Amino acid sequence: GQQLNQSPQSMFIQEGEDVSMNCTSSSIFNTWLWYKQDPGEGPVLLIALYKAGELTSNGRLTAQFGITRKDSFLNISASIPSDVGIYFCAGQGGTNAGKSTFGDGTTLTVKP
Amino acid sequence: EAGVAQSPRYKIIEKRQSVAFWCNPISGHATLYWYQQILGQGPKLLIQFQNNGVVDDSQLPKDRFSAERLKGVDSTLKIQPAKLEDSAVYLCASSRIWGGSYTDTQYFGPGTRLTVL
Repeated sequence: GQQLNQSPQSMFIQEGEDVSMNCTSSSIFNTWLWYKQDPGEGPVLLIALYKAGELTSNGRLTAQFGITRKDSFLNISASIPSDVGIYFCAGQGGTNAGKSTFGDGTTLTVKP
Repeated sequence: EAGVAQSPRYKIIEKRQSVAFWCNPISGHATLYWYQQILGQGPKLLIQFQNNGVVDDSQLPKDRFSAERLKGVDSTLKIQPAKLEDSAVYLCASSRIWGGSYTDTQYFGPGTRLTVL
C-alpha cells in the first residue's frame, strides 16, 4: 500500500526559531494535506494543497506541493509555545479522494 | 456549529471482550470516516460511509471489526473479540460531501482511547 515518510520524527526548538518538516512518498498524490494534533484531540487541518508546485500560506505556516507530486514540506516561521503538537502530512489520490494516507508525524517541542 | 462528537472518550477492556464506539458527525455531513491511530503513528482509515452506504472498507479487519450507519447520521464501530493489538485511539471524522475524485475538508472528533489488557 501507499506509505508516507515524514521527517524529522521530532524537533526541539527555541521560541522564535523557524521550523521545517517534510514528507516523501513513492506514490503520486493529487492532494497534500497538513494537520496538527494536540494531546487528546483529533487532527485539525492547517493547509491543503491541490496542484503540483503550489505554495500556500496560512499565517506563519507555509506549505508546498512538490513538482513530482511525491513530496511536500511545511514551514513554520517565528515559532511560539502554542505551536507545540504533532504535525501530520497526508496524501490523497486515486478514485477515492476521501481516503487519506497519513505520515507518522513530527512532534514539535518549543522551549520558551 | 457543534463538532464531531464521540463516546466514550476512554475504554479499558480485557482481550476477547467486546467494545463499541459511537460517533455523531457534524450536522448535514454526508460522509463519515472511522480511523485507527496507534500510538506513535498517523491515523489509518478503517471504513468510509457515504450517507448509510459503505464507500471503502478495504482496511477494516472484518473478522472482528464491524461498523454501521443505519440512518445516515450517527455511526457505531464494534470490535468483537478485542485483541491486544487493537489498543489505539479510534477517530471519527466527517465531511460535507464526497464525489469520488473530490472530497471536502474532513473534521475529526476527539477520539476514543481504547486499552486492551
